Order: sequence, then C-alpha cells, then structure tokens
Amino acid sequence: KAGVTQTPRYLIKTRGQQVTLSCSPISGHRSVSWYQQTPGQGLQFLFEYFSETQRNKGNFPGRFSGRQFSNSRSEMNVSTLELGDSALYLCASRPGTLQSPLHFGNGTRLTVT
Amino acid sequence: KQEVTQIPAALSVPEGENLVLNCSFTDSAIYNLQWFRQDPGKGLTSLLLIQSSQREQTSGRLNASLDKSSGRSTLYIAASQPGDSATYLCAVTQGGSEKLVFGKGMKLTVNP
Repeated sequence: KAGVTQTPRYLIKTRGQQVTLSCSPISGHRSVSWYQQTPGQGLQFLFEYFSETQRNKGNFPGRFSGRQFSNSRSEMNVSTLELGDSALYLCASRPGTLQSPLHFGNGTRLTVT
Repeated sequence: KQEVTQIPAALSVPEGENLVLNCSFTDSAIYNLQWFRQDPGKGLTSLLLIQSSQREQTSGRLNASLDKSSGRSTLYIAASQPGDSATYLCAVTQGGSEKLVFGKGMKLTVNP
C-alpha cells in the first residue's frame, strides 16, 4: 500500500510570491492534516480536512489555506510568502477515526528568499 | 493550553544499551498519545499509539507506557542499535480534536 505522497519535495520561492503544496493520502484515508515544522517552533498544526470539509484549524494567519478534493487529495496554499514561512511542511492522513495512528509523508521543504 | 515536553533534547549512548525516553504533558484530558521517529530530512514514522484507556503498547524492541493521571509517557527501547539513531517525538491528541500537540523531540545517537 503506497504511503502518503507529497509533491514537490523541495521548493524555493521569493518573498511575496504564493505557493501550492500537494498531498495524496494513503488509499482509503479520508482525514488529511497539515503541519509546519521549523527548528525553533517544532511541529505546529495547520489544519485538518475530512470529506472535503475543514474540521480543525491551527493558529496561523489567513495567508495559509487549504482544501480537499473528493478523492481525498489535499492542497495547501500560502500566499504573500514571508521569510518566516521557510519550513518543512508535512501532510498526514488517517482513515477518519482518532483511534487510528497518523501516517506522515516525507514533506515539502519550502525555502523563501 | 496543552504543552508537551521531552527531556533531554539529545542523548548519545553506546550500542546495546536499554533506553528510556520520557514525555510529559500538562493536560491529562487526552484522547491518545503517539510516538514517532524522524530521520534527517524525512517525515515522521509512527512507532506506537496508546489510547487513553490503555497503559502500554509493545512493538518488537519498543514498549511505550502511559500514565494519564501524572501526565507522563515513556518509550523503552531494548538493546539499542545504530539504526535506532533518529529524533523521537511524542504527540498527544486532545479529546474531540484531530490536532496533535508535539514535543520538541529527543535526538538519539547510538554509537557502534
């Protein structure tokens, strides 16, 4: 069974630009979550989607948004990039119940210059 | 606000030692607790998941325990190997939320 797939693996963008990251969950998983990982703040929750609906949102500015499609694939968008947005962005999926473990992809490394 | 702490931040040991990794959390109203490992430049690999009603879980050389009332979990690694070198993170799920709150992790180095 294929794991969580994130594309692209690496991205370099300029301050002020926008970026879209993609995540394909494990087949059959309906819940997709996004996390930001930085050396200073560690792993922080961005948002979670289930059946195309955002169920939970973390404490990030409105520049961070996401969506989920009917096939459970998800995208995350960051507009007006800032230097502080440089981070590893991780996507995770699970079948849909909290009793199941969360499975992570290898992430997208975003560098903002 | 839930806070998860892992101390120490780093540990270096010789191969073969039995290890105990600690995780503490401030709010005992958790749904479950999950241990992960992260290799450099990679995502997180789920090691063990303990539901709030459980006391421990085992997988191979790994054993995780949970004491919800005291806000503590430990990950026991038996007979450590160089391949165990990685950063280990614990995370709790609050009741009714999909959000995981992570500790900062503990970087483990097992020397041959």
